[in-house]
This record gives sequence, structure tokens and C-alpha cells, in this order.
Amino acid sequence: EVQLLESGGGLVQPGGSLRVSCEASGFTFSSYALTWVRQAPGKGLEWVSAVSASGGNTYYADSVKGRFTISRDNSKNTLYLQMYGLRAEDTAIYYCAKVPYLKFASGTSRDRYLDSWGQGTLVTVSS
Amino acid sequence: DIQMTQSPSSLSASVGDRVSITCRASQSISNYLNWYQQKPGRAPKLLIYAASSLQSGVPSRFSGSGSGTDFTLTISSLQPEDFATYYCQQSYTTPWTFGQGTKVEIE
Repeated sequence: EVQLLESGGGLVQPGGSLRVSCEASGFTFSSYALTWVRQAPGKGLEWVSAVSASGGNTYYADSVKGRFTISRDNSKNTLYLQMYGLRAEDTAIYYCAKVPYLKFASGTSRDRYLDSWGQGTLVTVSS
Repeated sequence: DIQMTQSPSSLSASVGDRVSITCRASQSISNYLNWYQQKPGRAPKLLIYAASSLQSGVPSRFSGSGSGTDFTLTISSLQPEDFATYYCQQSYTTPWTFGQGTKVEIE
């Protein structure tokens, strides 16, 4: 069974930094692309970032580009999102999610979706 | 960015009803359209991928259709566990974008 377990969320001041993690099990971690999706309180879903299976290709939403860095450690089965310059509008639950393909936004439509999600970790940016 | 617009934003229905939710893309996305279900306090769950393919383990009362810009999620006979918020999502191009959600409530 695929399991994704996020951690590292918390309260941080505006302008501060935080790293959230996602530990995976139940599948061959190094064979699949992974993403971060966030959800502000009471709002909808927003795709944030993605990384290919090898870690060699990364992708970002314009809203976080230059402030967030996605990475992965395939030896530890763990995905990371390093967040800098945090703003109030970054307050959200951050979910990691698995793509059923080694590359992100590649392949056919049958390779481009989010088939497993973690339970999320809450990041609150406030003074 | 491709904008995804769902309608209605919310609906009330009874157990046993047939329910349809529409999702429209701001440009053609072929069949690069996925549907997710989210219950309060829970992570989203994949229901349908590639517009009409049912994810493993998802009940057959859920179905998806459409291509191009217009898509539909249909629940053939609404069950108590189906009361939730539903999101469409396009994966045709980056950034992947979601609809605003449709909340299905008990009538």
C-alpha cells in the first residue's frame, strides 16, 4: 500500500523559512515523479511544485518560483519542499502527491494525474 | 495558464439521485482531465483520470466523459459516502490547474 506522510509544518513569521518533508513507502520511490499541492483554509487546491523521479527536473508555480525549492532524496524515500520568504498567502495545508510516471507532465494523459496523496501538513504564516 | 471552471459550485441531492458536475477548460485540453473527491479534513482522492478512466477501487457509479473543453463527472446513484467536494484538474500543460470545486450536500 502506498503511503505518503508529510511533516514539518508549523507557525512561521512572514519572511521566514520552513522545510516540509514527505516520507514515502509502499512503492519504488525512485521510479515516480512527485508533486506538492496546497490548500488554503476553506479554499480549493493549488498545484505548487513537482520533481521528476531522478530529481533532475523541477517545476514550480509562478506564485512560489524563486522562493520555494523542491528536492528529493531517493536513498531516504523522502521528498522535500524548502520554503523561503514566506507570506501570509502561503498559509495552507501542503500535500505531497505521487504521479504514476517517472517524469512530470510527460507521457500521455494516462500518465498525468495524482494517484496517491498524503494527509497533509499545515503551514501557517503569521506574526 | 489554463482556467478550469466547474458548475455548479454546490448542489443538494438525495441518496439515489443521479448527479452530474460539469468542468470547462479555457482552451482545449484533449482528454487531459482528472477528477478528485475530497471529504472534510481529508486529502483528495483520485476518482477518474484521462477524462473517462476509472481509478482502481473506485465504485462504478462514478463515470467521466468529455474531450476538448467540456467534461462531466456523473454519479449514477448517489450514496451517503459520496457527499463531498469534487475537483477537476487539467494536466495538459504546466501549471496543472484545478477547478474551484463542487460541494455535493444532502438535500
